[in-house]
Order: sequence, then C-alpha cells, then structure tokens
Amino acid sequence: GAVVSQHPSRVICKSGTSVKIECRSLDFQATTMFWYRQFPKQSLMLMATSNEGSKATYEQGVEKDKFLINHASLTLSTLTVTSAHPEDSSFYICSVPAGGKETQYFGPGTRLLVL
Amino acid sequence: DAKTTQPPSMDCAEGRAANLPCNHSTISGNEYVYWYRQIHSQGPQYIIHGLKNNETNEMASLIITEDRKSSTLILPHATLRDTAVYYCIVRFSSGGYQKVTFGTGTKLQVIP
Repeated sequence: GAVVSQHPSRVICKSGTSVKIECRSLDFQATTMFWYRQFPKQSLMLMATSNEGSKATYEQGVEKDKFLINHASLTLSTLTVTSAHPEDSSFYICSVPAGGKETQYFGPGTRLLVL
Repeated sequence: DAKTTQPPSMDCAEGRAANLPCNHSTISGNEYVYWYRQIHSQGPQYIIHGLKNNETNEMASLIITEDRKSSTLILPHATLRDTAVYYCIVRFSSGGYQKVTFGTGTKLQVIP
C-alpha cells in the first residue's frame, strides 16, 4: 500500500490565490520531509527540506516567503504556494525518509495549474 | 554529490532484458549509487542501490564496475509497465535523510 499520500492530487486555481498541498507519511514518523517541483519534460528539482519543530531549509533560488512550509506533526507537512502565478504551475512531489531504511518514499504528486 | 551521465532514451522489446547504463566517473569512495524510476505523472519509485558490490532485488539487478566509474541497471524481463524515466544518482550517505538530487535520467520505452 501507499507509504506517502498527497492531497489534493490536482488543483486548478486563479492567479493571485494561495494553494495548500498536504504531504502525509502513512507508515513512518518523519522529522524530515522533502519537497520537489517538476516542470513538464524536466527532472525533479528539490525545493526545500521540511523539518518538524523548526524552520524549513530552502534550496538556492526558492523564495521562502512564496512557498510556505509547515511541518505540523511527525506525519504531516504542508506546502502553501502563496499568490500563485501561472509560472508556478508544476508537479509538486514530497518525499519521506523511510525510517531506518536507506532510501526515501515519494508521494504521488500534486499537479497545480494556475490560470 | 558526483555527477552522472545517462543516455536520454532507450528502447527495449517486451520480455527482453533492459540494460540501462550510467556513468559516474567522478564518484568518490564513500558515495553510493542509487536508481529510481518515475512512471508518467507519478512520484519516483526507489529501485535499488549499492556501494561497490553487485546487488539484486525483486525489481532489478545493479552491476557496478570494479573501478566504480560506471554502473548498469538490469531489468531482467522488461514489461510494458516498466516504461518510465530511470534516474541514476550518486550520493554520500546511504541514509534516507539525505536529499536526493535528480539528473535528467533515461527514458525507457518498452515496445510490445
């Protein structure tokens, strides 16, 4: 069964609105989760590392005030795209370290379309 | 993390072995080789990883050359459901808490 879930799976919003994407770890408690973005025909790009109980760590070039991350509990991280614009349209994917195992499990992704 | 080079695309006949190469000539001694794949419009899926020895699991085999400068992922009997983009990644830690940096990958098309 799924290890990581994301909600919603797809969302369409108007330019200027904010969109919240949830990432849930179903099998593991996760003090760390990762958020990626993938534009069409491109590879995944790491946006930020979500840390439970502390501030997220953002990759260079990612605006922390635009992409708000809240690691609310050991099983939930949220990414809020604030004042979304059409160029924010993308596939957003989270991942969760697999407990004591040596890899990460990725969520199914959320496709965002900003009109 | 060391850079990897993969062919942009490959075709494989259904039922045949798919051999996906990866060059990582600048890999350091304590960097692991990981393989993930991403089926269209889904999140990536972990396949296998190794340090220096060849590895096999229920999904695939990983062959790492003795000098560790390259590796090959082998899907022994490719099916249509194996059509995906395959990413070869090298990174220092085997721990899941280290971030994963994706390259451009190889788009594998399994042909009926």
